[in-house]
Amino acid sequence: GAVVSQHPSRVICKSGTSVKIECRSLDFQATTMFWYRQFPKQSLMLMATSNEGSKATYEQGVEKDKFLINHASLTLSTLTVTSAHPEDSSFYICSARDVASTRNEQFFGPGTRLTVL
Amino acid sequence: QKEVEQNSGPLSVPEGAIASLNCTYSDRGSQSFFWYRQYSGKSPELIMSIYSNGDKEDGRFTAQLNKASQYVSLLIRDSQPSDSATYLCAVNRNQAGTALIFGKGTTLSVSS
Repeated sequence: GAVVSQHPSRVICKSGTSVKIECRSLDFQATTMFWYRQFPKQSLMLMATSNEGSKATYEQGVEKDKFLINHASLTLSTLTVTSAHPEDSSFYICSARDVASTRNEQFFGPGTRLTVL
Repeated sequence: QKEVEQNSGPLSVPEGAIASLNCTYSDRGSQSFFWYRQYSGKSPELIMSIYSNGDKEDGRFTAQLNKASQYVSLLIRDSQPSDSATYLCAVNRNQAGTALIFGKGTTLSVSS
């Protein structure tokens, strides 16, 4: 149980294009999902908290107009990197919390490696 | 500001030894405590959760929590080379919708 998937696992795109990353909870429902970014040899950085049916909450310094988050259902959140540039190249990881669990555990997807040329 | 501190390492232990990983946190309201393992190039994997003071054992892993000292630790017995990874400590107030606060992680290297 508690499986989170991400798609795509790897994407290479040209500068200026937009990239959409999907995060799905496969066997549980998640009212809240979290998006992280990790640069090589650095720690996880929380970008935003995605809430089902409402606007995402962004961390300080994260541009909400550049990183569009949509959490349209209890099992799907999407992150769109708009007008991507080489400095956006990173490892993007989502996590989800089971709404039915009292244990507050968060499970991570396998991540999406974005390379912007 | 809520913080989680870990020694970045690397912590080097020989195969078969006990690896001890430590973590301190600043928010006294924290109620949930987690250890994640992250292999290079992969996403974090939950290996232990602990919610009350004392020890919790799961196979070769033991998590220890001391809320009075704001201290969490992870012991790995009979360390194997496959345990070589970065271990992330995370805490949370257990409020709906709140994200985990992560430490920067401790890199463990187990030599054969």
